[in-house]
Amino acid sequence: GAGVSQTPSNKVTEKGKYVELRCDPISGHTALYWYRQSLGQGPEFLIYFQGTGAADDSGLPNDRFFAVRPEGSVSTLKIQRTERGDSAVYLCASSLGYEQFFGPGTRLTVL
Amino acid sequence: GENVEQHPSTLSVQEGDSAVIKCTYSDSASNYFPWYKQELGKGPQLIIDIRSNVGEKKDQRIAVTLNKTAKHFSLHITETQPEDSAVYFCAASKSGGSYIPTFGRGTSLIVHP
Repeated sequence: GAGVSQTPSNKVTEKGKYVELRCDPISGHTALYWYRQSLGQGPEFLIYFQGTGAADDSGLPNDRFFAVRPEGSVSTLKIQRTERGDSAVYLCASSLGYEQFFGPGTRLTVL
Repeated sequence: GENVEQHPSTLSVQEGDSAVIKCTYSDSASNYFPWYKQELGKGPQLIIDIRSNVGEKKDQRIAVTLNKTAKHFSLHITETQPEDSAVYFCAASKSGGSYIPTFGRGTSLIVHP
């Protein structure tokens, strides 16, 4: 079946702009996670959804970052007033239990 | 919070040799330890995992060992092949609903034909 998909695959924006990153999880997976991966580092947790609600958003770095999952499937990560330090690969994963299935990521570049 | 250290950062081996990657963790409450393989331009993919109630798990050429007392766990790949070349991440997490993992910094494995 289809895996986790993320769009766009690449996003280039200017400092101060607003961006939205989309994640389509595996159908039926109730848990959804967002991570940020900088070059040469492991994925860093941002936020976790169980169904429609954010069960743990302790990894969001500041209030410029926000994520939603209104119908319990697709999720959107929103970043306001982007900064150059936000440049990274943003990964999404979904799961039903222990194992997390990752998407290919969105590479965000803030100029 | 949890802290996961991973070594080495780079590992270069000849095809057919074994490769070992080691990780330590800090939170004794962690009880689930997955290993992921990440190829260029792709997301991490789970290759093997171990829970704290066992000390070793094997799947064909891949094995993972866990020492809860010392809080360290290792990935062993035998008979390496060029297609094993990738970045490998260890992680540690706790049960309780979320299984949010803390990842190591990764090991770049290069297998020379």
